Amino acid sequence: RLKESGPGLVKASETLSLICTVSGGSIDSDAYYWGWVRQPPGKGLEWIGTVFHDGSTYYNPSLNSRVTVSLDTSRTEFSLKLRSVTAADTAVYYCAGSLNFNYFNPWGQGSLVTVSS
Amino acid sequence: QSVLTQPPSVSGAPGQRVTISCTGSSSNIGAPYDVHWYQHLPGTAPKLLIYDNNNRPSGVPDRFSGSRSGTSASLAISGLQAEDEADYYCQSYDSGLSGSVFGGGTKVTVL
Repeated sequence: RLKESGPGLVKASETLSLICTVSGGSIDSDAYYWGWVRQPPGKGLEWIGTVFHDGSTYYNPSLNSRVTVSLDTSRTEFSLKLRSVTAADTAVYYCAGSLNFNYFNPWGQGSLVTVSS
Repeated sequence: QSVLTQPPSVSGAPGQRVTISCTGSSSNIGAPYDVHWYQHLPGTAPKLLIYDNNNRPSGVPDRFSGSRSGTSASLAISGLQAEDEADYYCQSYDSGLSGSVFGGGTKVTVL
């Protein structure tokens, strides 16, 4: 139901951009929030940010100054932009739905993004 | 450092019972916000295993159970099977961060 797409390689200091396409359900749901989670190599899961259909956004404070999550209801997709990336941003990025901003389900398959110097 | 603390690894023989702890604070688990658990196999998307502390989604075997008490939660796997070898993560909401938080993950090894 969710699938990530975007470049697999981004240069350091540039902007990482990913899109998550939602199928089989409404992105306008009053109950579902839409978010991004990442997993750097050898590390655990980290919540990045979440958006609601009314445009409200919520970000991890550690990434707040560099991240934007937005929704395009006409295209049933939402996006992630992470600015000024460094090697530390190399990770598998997952998009996910979150019922009432609670647990994450369903998840996309994940998209590996490598930041090159 | 993760906001929620999990042991890096646990192990057990087939058929045994193992538990994974998840320790938080008064701004998350102790608030109390619900705790959720995920099973993560390499190269796949995390799978929701337990939601709202002790509920299993359809299709999850009843060998998996969850509980919450005070500022901690735990996941128990009974009748351990080889297919249970994976990484497990707890997740909750944190009022101080105004967002979701994950534990550092626990690798379960079946001996």
